[in-house]
Amino acid sequence: DAKTTQPPSMDCAEGRAANLPCNHSTISGNEYVYWYRQIHSQGPQYIIHGLKNNETNEMASLIITEDRKSSTLILPHATLRDTAVYYCIVRGTLSISNDYKLSFGAGTTVTVRA
Amino acid sequence: DAGITQSPRHKVTETGTPVTLRCHQTENHRYMYWYRQDPGHGLRLIHYSYGVKDTDKGEVSDGYSVSRSKTEDFLLTLESATSSQTSVYFCAISESGTGVGSSYNEQFFGPGTRLTVL
Repeated sequence: DAKTTQPPSMDCAEGRAANLPCNHSTISGNEYVYWYRQIHSQGPQYIIHGLKNNETNEMASLIITEDRKSSTLILPHATLRDTAVYYCIVRGTLSISNDYKLSFGAGTTVTVRA
Repeated sequence: DAGITQSPRHKVTETGTPVTLRCHQTENHRYMYWYRQDPGHGLRLIHYSYGVKDTDKGEVSDGYSVSRSKTEDFLLTLESATSSQTSVYFCAISESGTGVGSSYNEQFFGPGTRLTVL
């Protein structure tokens, strides 16, 4: 599975856009990039995923570079409730069931400040 | 929210005792997973199931066993708990695995079980 590198922490002002970088230089052509977040003491929550094209949903936007070696998650208008640990994950493949395994690293702790 | 419950939510036990954690889903999803989360680590996969009675090991499976006798329940057992197994345990479910052309495999997570082994 490809590994990801994220900054350990970042701050963001409430109402401003939060741009979370992720490096995945060893990603292979069929591996998707997933983003999850974990608010304190809760289970992780899916945010968005993509393969090559930029993606947007009601929560965030995902910008993937053309060479696919890095991506950026954008929270367009951060709120205090967006304070969480954000995980960038490159999906691999399990051997028996052909299901995907999500390998969570340490993630980026994002603190949104008023 | 996806219908996932974990029980118990909190447990304190002593070294050497057996412990079973239960994950129950009402979504009829095929895949179920057990993760553990420790300070300084992300979530690490312990075991997973891709169908009734079909399970496989994850990256940190030593000291754990699982069983899935019906779609809705996935049990995680610590046969003889050790202090190193003190952790927060999360169950997750997903509807489908991969397949050619499949790109979507969102995992829904339960609320977690905090286990302390003294």
